Amino acid sequence: AQRVTQPEKLLSVFKGAPVELKCNYSYSGSPELFWYVQYSRQRLQLLLRHISRESIKGFTADLNKGETSFHLKKPFAQEEDSAMYYCALKGTGFQKLVFGTGTRLLVSP
Amino acid sequence: DAGVIQSPRHEVTEMGQEVTLRCKPISGHDYLFWYRQTMMRGLELLIYFNNNVPIDDSGMPEDRFSAKMPNASFSTLKIQPSEPRDSAVYFCASRFSDTQYFGPGTRLTVL
Repeated sequence: AQRVTQPEKLLSVFKGAPVELKCNYSYSGSPELFWYVQYSRQRLQLLLRHISRESIKGFTADLNKGETSFHLKKPFAQEEDSAMYYCALKGTGFQKLVFGTGTRLLVSP
Repeated sequence: DAGVIQSPRHEVTEMGQEVTLRCKPISGHDYLFWYRQTMMRGLELLIYFNNNVPIDDSGMPEDRFSAKMPNASFSTLKIQPSEPRDSAVYFCASRFSDTQYFGPGTRLTVL
């Protein structure tokens, strides 16, 4: 079975503080992991994927197969980062994404 | 490009009524997904299509829910009869090269 767990429903930080949104997954094969973001009044959109190993808007995420985690990190949070963040998994040979329940990030001034 | 288009954006109906949600995917995308978003359960996949053919409908909650994709540019999700617990935001997404592009969603309220 494929499962994604985001243990925090809400993460509240101050501007300039480091941010880490946790994501753990359960999958016996080799997964593809994604982070999607939904800003207020905007559509859900892809933020980054692990195979690209890219930094988007200052965010990075490293796949840790030993810990089955794909945590999203940013060293200095900005107010415009406030949004809903979803971690998602795609299993090998599968076409669908399995999403976590999401974490709302609130960055205060 | 307007992206994925969904209609209506908001729907308020009474229990027992039929509800039809509509989606127009991005042209050229060969996969279409229907999701339901709730506070408690987050984003759940209901059904997805490949080249207009339903592939996996294991997420459809019960027989009251049905989905069709008569052609590459249109899909519907129907709930009949609707119940208050169906209240949620329903998203449609189409996919190109492993990236899903989401529509703005339809907020359904069943009274």
